[in-house]
Amino acid sequence: GNSVTQMEGPVTLSEEAFLTINCTYTATGYPSLFWYVQYPGEGLQLLLKATKADDKGSNKGFEATYRKETTSFHLEKGSVQVSDSAVYFCALRGLRYGGSQGNLIFGKGTKLSVKP
Amino acid sequence: DAGVTQSPTHLIKTRGQQVTLRCSPKSGHDTVSWYQQALGQGPQFIFQYYEEEERQRGNFPDRFSGHQFPNYSSELNVNALLLGDSALYLCASSLKGSRTDTQYFGPGTRLTVL
Repeated sequence: GNSVTQMEGPVTLSEEAFLTINCTYTATGYPSLFWYVQYPGEGLQLLLKATKADDKGSNKGFEATYRKETTSFHLEKGSVQVSDSAVYFCALRGLRYGGSQGNLIFGKGTKLSVKP
Repeated sequence: DAGVTQSPTHLIKTRGQQVTLRCSPKSGHDTVSWYQQALGQGPQFIFQYYEEEERQRGNFPDRFSGHQFPNYSSELNVNALLLGDSALYLCASSLKGSRTDTQYFGPGTRLTVL
């Protein structure tokens, strides 16, 4: 079945450091891939997405490229800020029989703490 | 443009009780999905409603049921609550038939079962 594996946290970085959070997936066909962010005490916010191989999603300085050959969708940011402290979830959404979109399948999340 | 809203924000119940959680989708959306997020875990899919019918269901027992109303809002009902039902319940809305059918989440309802 479909699944998502994320690097385990927590990840602690100093402000302006480079961030990478690894995400790999297992899926049949060509799923859509997502990164969601959850700030303390809040729900999930869509950060970025990619719907086909080699697509690059980007938002707020974060980027992730859909790599079909390595089944990966790693999240990167060149210079993190204290305000980026949150939990980051990688997710995929496959196609159901008949071609309709399936439900989201999430990784376990990676907690990021950025120190000033 | 109002986003996804959920009520109540927090809820405390005791084992064996029943609970109803509510969700209003983002303006223009017609599909509602519910997820359970246990502490320290990623969200797990419960079910999805479209055109007032359950269209997909995750691996959750029949104690979990739902409803969608003509205005697209939705309810999640949980009967015979167990301690293990304590979690953040997230509602997500989307537009069926859109190219990516992207889901947008509400702030969640924190349920504590004592």
